[in-house]
Order: sequence, then structure tokens, then C-alpha cells
Amino acid sequence: QSALTQPASVSGSPGQSITISCTGTSSDVGAYNHVSWYQQYPGQAPKLKIFDVNKRPSGVSNRFSGSKSGNTASLTISGLQAEDEADYFCCSYAGTRIWVFGGGTKVTVL
Amino acid sequence: EVQLVESGGGLIQPGGSLRLSCAASGFTVSTNYMSWIRQAPGRGLEWVSNIYSDDNTYYTDSVKGRFTISRGNSENTLYLQMNSLRAEDTAVYYCARQRPVAGPFDYWGRGTLVTVSS
Repeated sequence: QSALTQPASVSGSPGQSITISCTGTSSDVGAYNHVSWYQQYPGQAPKLKIFDVNKRPSGVSNRFSGSKSGNTASLTISGLQAEDEADYFCCSYAGTRIWVFGGGTKVTVL
Repeated sequence: EVQLVESGGGLIQPGGSLRLSCAASGFTVSTNYMSWIRQAPGRGLEWVSNIYSDDNTYYTDSVKGRFTISRGNSENTLYLQMNSLRAEDTAVYYCARQRPVAGPFDYWGRGTLVTVSS
């Protein structure tokens, strides 16, 4: 049950697009389309932004989008805004009712 | 409105026991998939345990045999009994509702801090 690999930090200027990668294995990200992404502000609970690779829950801005290729999933934030500055975690189903998270990526809006 | 409120965290010595609670409102715990997820200081999230509506339970390897997830249906509350605690169990523990069957964790509580230290 190894953690998924995410870059420690990603930054961008307001209005730009950024992409956060999430690399797993053929036993988790590569095997299932159950990848989700969570946004977390300091001291707060995580909030679901993307599920099943590319689906957005009701109320989540369409500036957030997800994709997957092989063992790597990605979260793209377009039209970057100051409020997007937060930590982002990916999560994947790993079979046999087990879940694995990424180490998290700190997004900085320059 | 869905709400989850954790409680029961605190400072505990290695080898000790603690029971965490998660009071739910806006939905019924017993008919949903529920989870405990933890976050060590400055670290990423780690899935700990699930309990499904059919009462089946699942655990990450590092807590098997030490932690027990359960629910109190009349109280609409999720529990995590933690025994034989270790320093590496130190973390903020979140409860979350999970969409079936392999769905995401769609609602989270604000967490409760467990510190295992002598």
C-alpha cells in the first residue's frame, strides 16, 4: 500500500493553467477509474473536487478538470485564482476495499 | 445538511487506548459507507479503515489487529477504537462518508488530533 506520488509544489500566476500529476501503479491508478482529488486549506477538512477521474461534484467550478493516462492521473486548474491556493491530494482505489492517497501538492498562486 | 463532527482525540502514552467518535447529521450512518482517514503532522492523507452498510470492515495493514471501526446506529455515530497505540499513529483523524461502491469520500469532518507520546 504505497502512497501515490505527487509533486511537492506547483505554482502559477492568476489566469494561468496548472496541472498536478499523481503517479501510481498498475494495481491502483492504472487498474481502476476511481481516482479522486481533494482540496485542503490549512487547518480545514479536505473537500472533494474531482471523482472517477474526471467527474465534478455539484457546485465545483468547471475550472477544475481531471484526466488519466496509464498509471498517472492529473488535475488541471484553469484560470488560476487566489482562492485556489491550497494543498491538493489525489486518491485511488487499490482493490480489495483498500484506498491509497498521494502525498499532497501545495499550489501557490504567484 | 450533511455534517460530521469528530471527538475523542488527545494525548495518550504509547501502548494506550483511545476511542474516537464521529457524530453524523443529515444522513444515516448505518446505511452508508463510512471511513476513517488520518493525516500525520505535515504529511499526506492515509486511509485507515472502512465500514460498509453490510457491516463488513476493512483496515490498512499498519492498524490491523489494533484498531476497530464500528458504528452506533441509535446514536448515528461512527467509532474508531484504537489500542496498542504507537508514536506513528500520531495524526489528525478525519471521518468521512464514502459513496458506494468504490466511490469518493464526499463529506469530511474537521478532524480530531491524536498525539501518542510519553
